[in-house]
Amino acid sequence: AQRVTQPEKLLSVFKGAPVELKCNYSYSGSPELFWYVQYSRQRLQLLLRHISRESIKGFTADLNKGETSFHLKKPFAQEEDSAMYYCALSQGGYQKVTFGTGTKLQVIP
Amino acid sequence: DAGITQSPRHKVTETGTPVTLRCHQTENHRYMYWYRQDPGHGLRLIHYSYGVKDTDKGEVSDGYSVSRSKTEDFLLTLESATSSQTSVYFCAISDLAGTDGGYTFGSGTRLTVV
Repeated sequence: AQRVTQPEKLLSVFKGAPVELKCNYSYSGSPELFWYVQYSRQRLQLLLRHISRESIKGFTADLNKGETSFHLKKPFAQEEDSAMYYCALSQGGYQKVTFGTGTKLQVIP
Repeated sequence: DAGITQSPRHKVTETGTPVTLRCHQTENHRYMYWYRQDPGHGLRLIHYSYGVKDTDKGEVSDGYSVSRSKTEDFLLTLESATSSQTSVYFCAISDLAGTDGGYTFGSGTRLTVV
């Protein structure tokens, strides 16, 4: 069975500090991985997906198949980055997606 | 707008009563999903649909049923609400064709069972 693990419930960083939100997965097939973000009182929205290798709002994530990780990184945190972040894995087919438990990022001014 | 709406946005109901939540989309997407969001559990899949009248169970389907009689509507019913079903419920849609698997989410329904 597929599983997504986000080991940190809360991550607090100072403004301007680097950010790394950890995500590890277990899946026997070829994974499709995503990061979703939920700002306060808003709907979840797709932040980025590994296949597009894009950078959104300064965030990047690299799929490391050897370490089965998909960590989300940003070199300099901003206050508006404070939100809940979910790592997610798609098993293809019906596009059913499994989510991690989420990490709350708190950027301290 | 994202083309997906959920109703109601908030609901308080009593234990033992049936409750129906509605998800409506204007994107003509084939796939629709119901998740619940709980602290410490993240999002867990309740049921999903891969077409009109085609539905299947997710990992936490006990106590829930769904129906999809039209492409645009996906209903989630709590047959007899319990306090453990107090949660925030999110609907999501996706269109496999021509996409890379990302979901579009609704704004959520906050359900409280007292």
